[in-house]
Amino acid sequence: ILNVEQSPQSLHVQEGDSTNFTCSFPSSNFYALHWYRWETAKSPEALFVMTLNGDEKKKGRISATLNTKEGYSYLYIKGSQPEDSATYLCAFSNTGNQFYFGTGTSLTVIP
Amino acid sequence: EAGVTQSPTHLIKTRGQQATLRCSPISGHTSVYWYQQALGLGLQFLLWYDEGEERNRGNFPPRFSGRQFPNYSSELNVNALELEDSALYLCASSLGGSNQPQHFGDGTRLSIL
Repeated sequence: ILNVEQSPQSLHVQEGDSTNFTCSFPSSNFYALHWYRWETAKSPEALFVMTLNGDEKKKGRISATLNTKEGYSYLYIKGSQPEDSATYLCAFSNTGNQFYFGTGTSLTVIP
Repeated sequence: EAGVTQSPTHLIKTRGQQATLRCSPISGHTSVYWYQQALGLGLQFLLWYDEGEERNRGNFPPRFSGRQFPNYSSELNVNALELEDSALYLCASSLGGSNQPQHFGDGTRLSIL
C-alpha cells in the first residue's frame, strides 16, 4: 500500500487571499497525478490530470504544478472566493494501474 | 450530457447479506472505477473495469467483486457483509486509461446493521 499525503489537512483563509496545498506521492512507477475538488453534498469534480515532470495546468484562478522526480504536486488558488470552499483531493496512479487518493485538504474561505 | 448515475442512493443491509450497487457511466466512457469511503478515511480504490474486463483491483477481499456489462454499466457486489463495509461507495467513469480525468457519481450509502 502506497502513501499519498496531503498537507495541510485543513485551511481557513480570508476571501481574496491566495493559498496553496501540497500532495506528496511515491516518485517510483509514476503514471499520472489527478486533482479533484469535492464540495459538500456533491460528487468529486476533476480539476487536473498531469503526467509529465514539470507539467503546469491552469483553470481560472486555480493552477497546479508537478514534480515527479521528487514526488510532489502543488495546487494554487489565487484570490480565494467563498465558492472555492471544498475538500481538494489528489490521486496518484502508477504504472500498475492502481489509484491512491490522499485524504484531502479541506479549504474554508471566510467572506 | 447525463452524468454518472448510481443506484440505489441508500442501501440498508444486515451482516451476512449480499449487496449489489449499480453504476451507469457517461455516454462514451469505457472505464468504470469503484471506490469506498469509510467514515473518517479517504477514498480507497476498489476496482477498475475497462471494455468489459477487470483491469485492476485494490487491496480488498474477494467478497468484493463486480462486472461491467456490454453497455459499459457496472455493478459492484459485496458478499457476506460485515459491519465495517458500511461506507459511501462512489463510482466514476472515464474515457479509459489512468491518465484520463474521472467523473464521479453521487454515490451509494451502504449501511450494515
